[in-house]
Amino acid sequence: TQLLEQSPQFLSIQEGENLTVYCNSSSVFSSLQWYRQEPGEGPVLLVTVVTGGEVKKLKRLTFQFGDARKDSSLHITAAQPGDTGLYLCAYKTDSWGKLQFGAGTQVVVTP
Amino acid sequence: DTEVTQTPKHLVMGMTNKKSLKCEQHMGHRAMYWYKQKAKKPPELMFVYSYEKLSINESVPSRFSPECPNSSLLNLHLHALQPEDSALYLCASSPTQGRQTYTQYFGPGTRLTVL
Repeated sequence: TQLLEQSPQFLSIQEGENLTVYCNSSSVFSSLQWYRQEPGEGPVLLVTVVTGGEVKKLKRLTFQFGDARKDSSLHITAAQPGDTGLYLCAYKTDSWGKLQFGAGTQVVVTP
Repeated sequence: DTEVTQTPKHLVMGMTNKKSLKCEQHMGHRAMYWYKQKAKKPPELMFVYSYEKLSINESVPSRFSPECPNSSLLNLHLHALQPEDSALYLCASSPTQGRQTYTQYFGPGTRLTVL
């Protein structure tokens, strides 16, 4: 099993600030996924990155896949309280769909 | 209908009880999953059903017994659980094409407490 390391573990910021969450590994991935899990809910897929160097934007969220496809980052611009949640990166280990998650980054945005 | 539903939302049970968790989806997905999530940890896969057949069991103790009665329904039967089994139990489903699976859609989970 390839290991996904997420950093930081916890991030507390004020509304309007920017933040970046990292997902790193020593292994190469064909794709990586980012999920957000809000309290009391299941994870929701935000994006899948596939191509090395790829940048994808989802409103104020920007996702980047490293050129070597070993790492990824999530940048949030002008964070809002609604961005509060557990951010998880994950990869699919086999065709049956087994997902291996990173440990997650807990983000708290206060008004 | 684009959601995965789970019942009950909360469950408290004693170590000698028998209970069941239920998961339902009507998206036509033929792969369904059970995950266990402890507080402040990521979800961990327990079981995968593909076309109503168990395809992955991640060495889960036999006190957890999954069942897939039809393509829309997934159950998790619980018996003689331990307090350390207290967790959020998540169900997910995904579309399939042959053996290939795609995006997983998660339900809201059942918060289980074992006393």
